[in-house]
Amino acid sequence: GQNIDQPTEMTATEGAIVQINCTYQTSGFNGLFWYQQHAGEAPTFLSYNVLDGLEEKGRFSSFLSRSKGYSYLLLKELQMKDSASYLCAVRSLLAGRRALTFGSGTRLQVQP
Amino acid sequence: GAVVSQHPSRVICKSGTSVKIECRSLDFQATTMFWYRQFPKQSLMLMATSNEGSKATYEQGVEKDKFLINHASLTLSTLTVTSAHPEDSSFYICSARLAEQFFGPGTRLTVL
Repeated sequence: GQNIDQPTEMTATEGAIVQINCTYQTSGFNGLFWYQQHAGEAPTFLSYNVLDGLEEKGRFSSFLSRSKGYSYLLLKELQMKDSASYLCAVRSLLAGRRALTFGSGTRLQVQP
Repeated sequence: GAVVSQHPSRVICKSGTSVKIECRSLDFQATTMFWYRQFPKQSLMLMATSNEGSKATYEQGVEKDKFLINHASLTLSTLTVTSAHPEDSSFYICSARLAEQFFGPGTRLTVL
């Protein structure tokens, strides 16, 4: 099966940097995704890592280490609008499935 | 990015009735779409994989006779919740896959 762990809640200050960690266990790993989800809305795609290393996209960066089953999402220059849940999701090719398995999400609260 | 729409965005129905939710890929063709369910403060749980021209693949524990899926064309998948009960009240989200999954805006179902 698959197992994805991420912290339940985090708090950070406007303008600061926050790192949200995600560890996973899966067979047939085929990519790790980060999504942002505001309350009552659908998730929006942030980043995708399939090879080891850092992917940078504006204020958001995502890192992957496949050997460690570890990823993090880094948010810089935090803004109040970044308060949301951040979902780590893994895609596995096991049994031909292409769907994503989601972690429980990390609720980030950005404070003034 | 690709656009996925869902209709309706919100529905309230009486217990025992059936509700149909539509998921459309607006600017691309999707041979595969995914249906997720999200209960309050929980993460997305995959219900089924919708395959154009063939039967859907349901996740363990999801009743295929209760959650009917029809993927009649390359741009449309429908989920019908039959004989809905209050415990079916949830946020239903579809997604379609290109390289990454794009999510529809979700449908909030409330069963009275």
